Amino acid sequence: NAGVTQTPKFQVLKTGQSMTLQCAQDMNHEYMSWYRQDPGMGLRLIHYSVGAGITDQGEVPNGYNVSRSTTEDFPLRLLSAAPSQTSVYFCASSTGTGNQPQHFGDGTRLSIL
Amino acid sequence: TQLLEQSPQFLSIQEGENLTVYCNSSSVFSSLQWYRQEPGEGPVLLVTVVTGGEVKKLKRLTFQFGDARKDSSLHITAAQPGDTGLYLCAGASWNNNDMRFGAGTRLTVKP
Repeated sequence: NAGVTQTPKFQVLKTGQSMTLQCAQDMNHEYMSWYRQDPGMGLRLIHYSVGAGITDQGEVPNGYNVSRSTTEDFPLRLLSAAPSQTSVYFCASSTGTGNQPQHFGDGTRLSIL
Repeated sequence: TQLLEQSPQFLSIQEGENLTVYCNSSSVFSSLQWYRQEPGEGPVLLVTVVTGGEVKKLKRLTFQFGDARKDSSLHITAAQPGDTGLYLCAGASWNNNDMRFGAGTRLTVKP
């Protein structure tokens, strides 16, 4: 039972580079989301999706793009990496929104030099 | 400014002690969740509270949702080293489309 799988686990980028963080879930969950976690800031919502073909912005969307072509996958794209995007990124999925439990991946630790 | 303020930020206690951590907001939430996160892993859900004034117990952990649905507390009785971790509260907005997290309380229980 894989749950939510994030790849890669670690990545170092140079300023200006682009990359895609992968997230896949095998629980047939409709709702998926991306968070970043920074010291003293908790988890901040970047983008979310309530189903295939539907995405929306969260609290801190600037500099990131997402797409949801299938129920299983929800990649996060950094268009032009900046040092301020150094963080740990978590993907989560759930059966719905509101009071439904969110299932998190183990995170991607990203450093931008 | 965090929508959800958690206190204390850090807590270090001896095994066997009791403790309470708090999650406060000026906003009203449709529900509130508590998660625990260990190093190198994602948060794992402990409990969801949905009714104002609700109290839920999970073994030695007691969770309470404030009457006004703006705050919550987590009380641990006779803490054990296995309780060590980062405790996060998260509130669901009334449009139910996003969840906002507090910064967390980092608990260390020493043997």
